[in-house]
Amino acid sequence: KAGVTQTPRYLIKTRGQQVTLSCSPISGHRSVSWYQQTPGQGLQFLFEYFSETQRNKGNFPGRFSGRQFSNSRSEMNVSTLELGDSALYLCASSQEPGQGFYEQYFGPGTRLTVT
Amino acid sequence: AQSVAQPEDQVNVAEGNPLTVKCTYSVSGNPYLFWYVQYPNRGLQFLLKYITGDNLVKGSYGFEAEFNKSQTSFHLKKPSALVSDSALYFCAVRDPTNTGFQKLVFGTGTRLLVSP
Repeated sequence: KAGVTQTPRYLIKTRGQQVTLSCSPISGHRSVSWYQQTPGQGLQFLFEYFSETQRNKGNFPGRFSGRQFSNSRSEMNVSTLELGDSALYLCASSQEPGQGFYEQYFGPGTRLTVT
Repeated sequence: AQSVAQPEDQVNVAEGNPLTVKCTYSVSGNPYLFWYVQYPNRGLQFLLKYITGDNLVKGSYGFEAEFNKSQTSFHLKKPSALVSDSALYFCAVRDPTNTGFQKLVFGTGTRLLVSP
């Protein structure tokens, strides 16, 4: 099976712009989560989607949003970019725990640099 | 709220020697615990998990971890380290209650450096 794919891998944006990141989960995985990784804050949970519904959201401002499509692919959007949004954004997919699976599988990430 | 602590920023070990990367957790109820590894410019790779059952769990690349409920620890171990094990290791906990769903709370990471 192909792994989690994320596009683009690298992005450079200017303050005030907006950006959309894309994630394609492993085939058959219906849950997609997003995390932000920075040197200062480490790995922080952004949100999780399942069946096109946001199930959980981390402590991030409303500028961070996401969605999931019927094929389980997910996008996240950051509006009005700030310098502090520079980070590695990781997407992870998983099967439902009811099927006995609990681990998440991560994509390679999108490195966002805001100048 | 659940939390994870990795007390060591870096662990240095010589190739061939055993290695231990420490992790302690705080969560109400029975935890779901995970170890991930991150190589430079890469995402996180799943190593192993503890959900229930045997306290010693085995994972990928010869790694294993021991769950200790009384000490609330989940240390990662390997009997014989390889230079290629050098990477950043993250311990994570998932809240087993429904409201947590798939959200993982990560430790700050421990850099493992294996010298030849």
